[in-house]
Amino acid sequence: EDKVVQSPLSLVVHEGDTVTLNCSYEVTNFRSLLWYKQEKKAPTFLFMLTSSGIEKKSGRLSSILDKKELFSILNITATQTGDSAVYLCAVEALAGGTSYGKLTFGQGTILTVHP
Amino acid sequence: NAGVTQTPKFRILKIGQSMTLQCTQDMNHNYMYWYRQDPGMGLKLIYYSVGAGITDKGEVPNGYNVSRSTTEDFPLRLELAAPSQTSVYFCASRTRTGVQAFFGQGTRLTVV
Repeated sequence: EDKVVQSPLSLVVHEGDTVTLNCSYEVTNFRSLLWYKQEKKAPTFLFMLTSSGIEKKSGRLSSILDKKELFSILNITATQTGDSAVYLCAVEALAGGTSYGKLTFGQGTILTVHP
Repeated sequence: NAGVTQTPKFRILKIGQSMTLQCTQDMNHNYMYWYRQDPGMGLKLIYYSVGAGITDKGEVPNGYNVSRSTTEDFPLRLELAAPSQTSVYFCASRTRTGVQAFFGQGTRLTVV
């Protein structure tokens, strides 16, 4: 059974701090790891990672994957109150060589950024 | 663009009642999914479909049924609602080779 574990489960910081969110996984036939941001409603896509060691970056957010150690981190620098959300990590596996886009999610990290 | 649309947004059901959660997407995506999210938890896959007429079970299918008669629509049927089905339900869709799934705004269901 595929498994995704995120840590910490919750985090409280002040504006301007840098945070690192962790995601470890166990999956048979790994295809990709995805990060989503969830603000009360629908998850919104942040990054998809498929290769080890290649950093994906978008503004103050960046993420990297280590396929040998089976984990990923999401970094947010210079945090703002608008970064407050649940950050979800998910993995996608291949089934019979085909991906059907099915995702196994971790439980999420609740990030709260105070002014 | 509407994207993925779910109805209703909220619903309260009594134990034993049935209902259908509607999901429609206007992006011509082949793949569609139903997830549930319990409080403080990540999303769990209920059912998915890779095209019209093709559906398959996910991780937590018990108590649910789906159908996919068109590319656009993927309704989720709850028969004999139970308190354990109290959750937020998300529908999502993706292209066959897509990077990301697009999620609807969710349906918050309470069974009392």
